[in-house]
Amino acid sequence: LAKTTQPISMDSYEGQEVNITCSHNNIATNDYITWYQQFPSQGPRFIIQGYKTKVTNEVASLFIPADRKSSTLSLPRVSLSDTAVYYCLGLPMNTGFQKLVFGTGTRLLVSP
Amino acid sequence: SQTIHQWPATLVQPVGSPLSLECTVEGTSNPNLYWYRQAAGRGLQLLFYSVGIGQISSEVPQNLSASRPQDRQFILSSKKLLLSDSGFYLCAWSVGIQLSREQYFGPGTRLTVT
Repeated sequence: LAKTTQPISMDSYEGQEVNITCSHNNIATNDYITWYQQFPSQGPRFIIQGYKTKVTNEVASLFIPADRKSSTLSLPRVSLSDTAVYYCLGLPMNTGFQKLVFGTGTRLLVSP
Repeated sequence: SQTIHQWPATLVQPVGSPLSLECTVEGTSNPNLYWYRQAAGRGLQLLFYSVGIGQISSEVPQNLSASRPQDRQFILSSKKLLLSDSGFYLCAWSVGIQLSREQYFGPGTRLTVT
């Protein structure tokens, strides 16, 4: 399973774009880069996943360069409700059991 | 639609007492089921997973055990709690036999062992 490294914390203000970078130098060929979001006292929630280039959904964008050694989660125009911990994982594409390895994540604090 | 339930939401138990946390999933069949624990300020640690009824795999040796008596029911137990068992316990499920890259988490149980 890919080891990922991300900043421990980030601060931002409402309305700003936030970019959280994750390093995964040893990511495997069949690993998808996956991001989860966790609010206090709740379980993590899947927000986005990608393999290469750029993926966008209603919540965020994910940028993955060609070498796949890093990725950037981009949150456009954050609000106070985006305050959460964001986890970056390398997740193999397979069926059946999947082992998610969560690190300590990046704690994002959005202020007014 | 699928939903996942956990109870109780919070629990305070003395050291040495037994534990039983329950998780049920609705709206899906033959899910993979997982128990995680999150200590204060830490990441999630996978404790157990199950790919079918009666099939339990343990990731971390400890005084906890898990059981899956029904397809969509997952139970976490202990005969004697330790102080170090305090934490936030999360149950999760993923699609059983189809290709999947996402896990769905329950609301969690916050356990305090005193």
